[in-house]
Amino acid sequence: EAGVAQSPRYKIIEKRQSVAFWCNPISGHATLYWYQQILGQGPKLLIQFQNNGVVDDSQLPKDRFSAERLKGVDSTLKIQPAKLEDSAVYLCASSLVRKRGEKLFFGSGTQLSVL
Amino acid sequence: AQSVTQLGSHVSVSEGALVLLRCNYSSSVPPYLFWYVQYPNQGLQLLLKYTTGATLVKGINGFEAEFKKSETSFHLTKPSAHMSDAAEYFCAVSPSGGYQKVTFGIGTKLQVIP
Repeated sequence: EAGVAQSPRYKIIEKRQSVAFWCNPISGHATLYWYQQILGQGPKLLIQFQNNGVVDDSQLPKDRFSAERLKGVDSTLKIQPAKLEDSAVYLCASSLVRKRGEKLFFGSGTQLSVL
Repeated sequence: AQSVTQLGSHVSVSEGALVLLRCNYSSSVPPYLFWYVQYPNQGLQLLLKYTTGATLVKGINGFEAEFKKSETSFHLTKPSAHMSDAAEYFCAVSPSGGYQKVTFGIGTKLQVIP
């Protein structure tokens, strides 16, 4: 079974530039999550999709971050414009259903450095 | 709001020694609890989880954890550490009601000394 695919693996940009990350979840997984993991901290949920609808985006900085999951499969997360504090690893995860207690499958993440 | 506290951001044990990683949760009702592990350059993967039923749960690679409601704890243990256990371990919590929203702790980096 193929895992959660993310690209790019690394990205270096200057502040005020734009950047986009891509995630392809495991086939058939209805729920997709984007987490932000700052160095020394645990992953923080940014946004959660159920198919192509947003379930929770309460911690997404909507003035600069946006995400979409068209067709309910792969997803993109965009930052525009980037700030220094956005330097982090961006993790994508998916689960088969939205059921409580369901196992999350994570990708390897995209490491973003904002200079 | 639910949260977890992991005591000790770094833990070192000798190979063959007991591994004990501590996690305490804060929730108004008993939540669902998880331990995830992250090996270098890899994504997080589930070690074990507690939802309902037996409070002692066994996971992969010989790890286990016990849900103790009276202590609001979910500590992770392994009787004998292997070099391959060196990784970062995250405790996480999700509400038992409503939709799944998983909140992670800051992580504990486990070092295994030969």
